[in-house]
Amino acid sequence: DTEVTQTPKHLVMGMTNKKSLKCEQHMGHRAMYWYKQKAKKPPELMFVYSYEKLSINESVPSRFSPECPNSSLLNLHLHALQPEDSALYLCASSQERQPRGTQYFGPGTRLLVL
Amino acid sequence: AQSVTQPDIHITVSEGASLELRCNYSYGATPYLFWYVQSPGQGLQLLLKYFSGDTLVQGIKGFEAEFKRSQSSFNLRKPSVHWSDAAEYFCAVGADTGNQFYFGTGTSLTVIP
Repeated sequence: DTEVTQTPKHLVMGMTNKKSLKCEQHMGHRAMYWYKQKAKKPPELMFVYSYEKLSINESVPSRFSPECPNSSLLNLHLHALQPEDSALYLCASSQERQPRGTQYFGPGTRLLVL
Repeated sequence: AQSVTQPDIHITVSEGASLELRCNYSYGATPYLFWYVQSPGQGLQLLLKYFSGDTLVQGIKGFEAEFKRSQSSFNLRKPSVHWSDAAEYFCAVGADTGNQFYFGTGTSLTVIP
């Protein structure tokens, strides 16, 4: 089973709202990732968790706050977003941390910020 | 600087025709190489990967790719394209040095009947 699940599938939020994106995997992977993807562009890495510890933060604005409650779950908390933050947010996981680990992606959450 | 290049932004092929998508990389070390496919509004699905060994790699959905160190390339091929192959294709490259991992800019594939 190589499934990564993400909820919700779609999210519309105002610039003053607080919301969270959720990601779950049950493959025993120890690395989990958040990516942001704009239309017709490759995914851009935001955060990497390795063994439930944040190991990479690619200079992401503080209005995005990741959390890894346990080895199977990854959250992305959103607060005071801007319209330019509208994008597809992808979660991925891998047995080992990149670059060696093969990343398996979830279907994504499509976020619209009004 | 390290980089991954997919020279073709968009390719159109007829159903049943052969396909080759190009990927070139620039790394000093032996890279880890991946091809992913993304259908509209979906996540990325791994097609195949190369870490070491046989330079011709077989993947899912009838795809294969060949690692050519001398050309710094990892081109994706399929002998006969199906309409369902229409999607965005991303090459990705990783290297142990600096724990680097990069996606190419992607190639959009259109399949015409």
